[in-house]
Formats: sequence, structure tokens, C-alpha cells
Amino acid sequence: AQSVSQHNHHVILSEAASLELGCNYSYGGTVNLFWYVQYPGQHLQLLLKYFSGDPLVKGIKGFEAEFIKSKFSFNLRKPSVQWSDTAEYFCAVNAYNAGNNRKLIWGLGTSLAVNP
Amino acid sequence: GAGVSQSPSNKVTEKGKDVELRCDPISGHTALYWYRQSLGQGLEFLIYFQGNSAPDKSGLPSDRFSAERTGGSVSTLTIQRTQQEDSAVYLCASSVPGSDTQYFGPGTRLTVL
Repeated sequence: AQSVSQHNHHVILSEAASLELGCNYSYGGTVNLFWYVQYPGQHLQLLLKYFSGDPLVKGIKGFEAEFIKSKFSFNLRKPSVQWSDTAEYFCAVNAYNAGNNRKLIWGLGTSLAVNP
Repeated sequence: GAGVSQSPSNKVTEKGKDVELRCDPISGHTALYWYRQSLGQGLEFLIYFQGNSAPDKSGLPSDRFSAERTGGSVSTLTIQRTQQEDSAVYLCASSVPGSDTQYFGPGTRLTVL
């Protein structure tokens, strides 16, 4: 079965620290990869996505992620976090099946707290 | 433009009652998804609509759960004879044809007492 694993459940950082959140998926075929973010009291919104092409993708607010196919990974990074980055981060994978369903398979999320 | 809207935002019900949750997708989005977000459980796929048909209902946890979509727009998720384990945030998302980017609504927080 397809699955997504996020290695860090809770991360606490100080402002200006660098961030890397791990995401691994299990599926050998074609995948589209996503990071979504949920700020406190707000709904889920897309942070960045990878469909094809350059495996290093850049998203909003200075975030980037690198798709490494050989490692089945799509780690999220940001060189210098801000207090406003405090949120829940979710990695998701769309794995095409015979029905061409576009449902997303989600990781359990990583709660990031940035201390000012 | 308007995003995905869901109603009600909060619903408290008693065990055994039926509830209906509504989702209004973004205009023109033919694909619609329902997910459930439970505390500490991440997001769980429930059902996917393409237009008014549901090619994938595999995530519905039991026959107490059903969903429909009419006019290729509004969708209703119905939970019959609610149980305490149904307590969660129910999220709706929509996407344009051929796109894998899903746009989420604010969710409905369901509490079953």
C-alpha cells in the first residue's frame, strides 16, 4: 500500500535557524509530491509541489523542497525560519492508480514551533 | 475569487444522531474530495468525486458514511447514527480538471458526545 512518512512529529526552532523536514513515500511508479501548510486557525494551503522537471522546487515564503527519486524522498527546507512559520506541515503524494484517481496520501504532519 | 466553503464550521451532536456536512467547491472545479483529520492521525481520504460520480469511495470507513454531489457542484457528506469515534475535522477540497493541486476549505469540526 502507498504510504507517506514524516520523520519529525514536533520541531522547535529559534528564529533564523535552518529547517529541514523529512518526507519519504512508498510507491514505485509516477508520483506528484506536495507540501501543504496549516497555520494556526487557518485551513490547509499549498506550500509547494513537484510534478516533473527540476527536482529542486521553490515555494512560497522562501521554502524549497528537493525530490530525490532514488531515496523516495521530498524533504522541505528553509534556510532561516521566522516566528510566522509556526504551523503544521504536511507532506502528500499523489500516486496514480488504475482508476487515475487523484487522491492524496498524507503524512501525519510535523508541528513546527518557532521561538522569537 | 471565492474559495472552497464548508458548513457548518462546527457541529456538536449526540451519539446516534445523523449529521450532514456541506461543501461548496470553487466554481469550475470538477473534482471534489472529502478527507477526515483526526487528532494525531493526519488526513484520511474518504471519497472522491469527478463531476457527480464517485469513482473512489474506498476511504469511507463504514456504511454509516455516504456522500453525494449534485449539479457538479455542492457535495454533502452524511454520517448516520454517529459514534464518538466519528469526532474529527472533515475537510473538503476541490481541483480543476487535469490538475493535482487541491484547494481546501476550512473544514467542519464534528464533535459527537
